[in-house]
Amino acid sequence: DVKVTQSSRYLVKRTGEKVFLECVQDMDHENMFWYRQDPGLGLRLIYFSYDVKMKEKGDIPEGYSVSREKKERFSLILESASTNQTSMYLCASSSDGQGSGNEQFFGPGTRLTVL
Amino acid sequence: AQSVTQLGSHVSVSEGALVLLRCNYSSSVPPYLFWYVQYPNQGLQLLLKYTTGATLVKGINGFEAEFKKSETSFHLTKPSAHMSDAAEYFCAVSDMDSSYKLIFGSGTRLLVRP
Repeated sequence: DVKVTQSSRYLVKRTGEKVFLECVQDMDHENMFWYRQDPGLGLRLIYFSYDVKMKEKGDIPEGYSVSREKKERFSLILESASTNQTSMYLCASSSDGQGSGNEQFFGPGTRLTVL
Repeated sequence: AQSVTQLGSHVSVSEGALVLLRCNYSSSVPPYLFWYVQYPNQGLQLLLKYTTGATLVKGINGFEAEFKKSETSFHLTKPSAHMSDAAEYFCAVSDMDSSYKLIFGSGTRLLVRP
């Protein structure tokens, strides 16, 4: 089974702190994604990566950066956390394989609260 | 730009009743289509997907969905709701402009009354 793990289920940080959210997948997937999920807004893509050291902005990249130094690990960084970044953060991965149809596999999520 | 519309942010059914969650997409080319389920405080789990072939797709937990190209729809159904089906459901389509991305609907929360 594909497994996507996230470093924390719950996180509380203070305004202005630098925050790191870590995501690891164990199925050798090429693609990894970070989303945030807010009530009524569904999932919004922050950044994605299609290869090591490669990244592309999603729909809402402002205030975030990412790092992918190894294929299995994709980190989301909040350079200076603000209260409007309080949200549920979901990591996902997918394969480029034929027939996968872009199916994404999700981690359990990190609920971040910024005070 | 492509979009996915899920009609109804909340749907309430009685236990044992038919579940119907609606999903329409905008695309000129038949896309890949997905339904995901999210239980409280968890990530998303794939229910079913349509890539090619038979347009009626069966998934886990008794759910199924039918791809109707003429209606650009991919509605999710289950003949008889269980209390354990209470969750949020997301429809998604592959992004034809990007071979990696999915476009998600805003979600439908299913409530099951005893």
